Amino acid sequence: NAGVTQTPKFQVLKTGQSMTLQCAQDMNHEYMSWYRQDPGMGLRLIHYSVGAGITDQGEVPNGYNVSRSTTEDFPLRLLSAAPSQTSVYFCASSPTLTGVNTFGSGTRLTVV
Amino acid sequence: GNSVTQMEGPVTLSEEAFLTINCTYTATGYPSLFWYVQYPGEGLQLLLKATKADDKGSNKGFEATYRKETTSFHLEKGSVQVSDSAVYFCALSFGYGGSQGNLIFGKGTKLSVKP
Repeated sequence: NAGVTQTPKFQVLKTGQSMTLQCAQDMNHEYMSWYRQDPGMGLRLIHYSVGAGITDQGEVPNGYNVSRSTTEDFPLRLLSAAPSQTSVYFCASSPTLTGVNTFGSGTRLTVV
Repeated sequence: GNSVTQMEGPVTLSEEAFLTINCTYTATGYPSLFWYVQYPGEGLQLLLKATKADDKGSNKGFEATYRKETTSFHLEKGSVQVSDSAVYFCALSFGYGGSQGNLIFGKGTKLSVKP
């Protein structure tokens, strides 16, 4: 089925470890974004991209890096994980000018 | 700044009860407004949207009207079902020409419907 695929679904990291959360979409959407969801906080935008080679910061970018080398993929990197990054992470994509944001099913990350 | 405020949850209702989840927004300009739903263990799905004042979004029996004068976008359903149990998020966006672009979310309201 077409959509947004996130991997892994669950991950436990130790403080200081690095990892990459993967996000891929097969809908040829130009716009992709990463959100984190914390209890009582709703979803907050981390980084977004309006097309291959273009990324920008959202509301809570510190501690995260992104790149967009292809239209399909938008990985989120944690260079040195901290307990404050324990959260559920959602990737989303949408067409540039119109349409609906399609969300992935999320990655639940725990940093101990 | 731009923000969305939703009523605190959780909300517990009996099946066939009337549902209202309040949502108000603060925005510089005229955003598009959205309601998303998150079922247990799943990602967010768009429930309905409205892109200009007085627009009414509707889907699956849910409705919400974009009220510029009260900066509100309250979600309503006349008769809820157990299958409506989920977390509901109100959101706004200033994307290009109606594109959702960067969404600003409320904190979410958890709805539980009892049989």
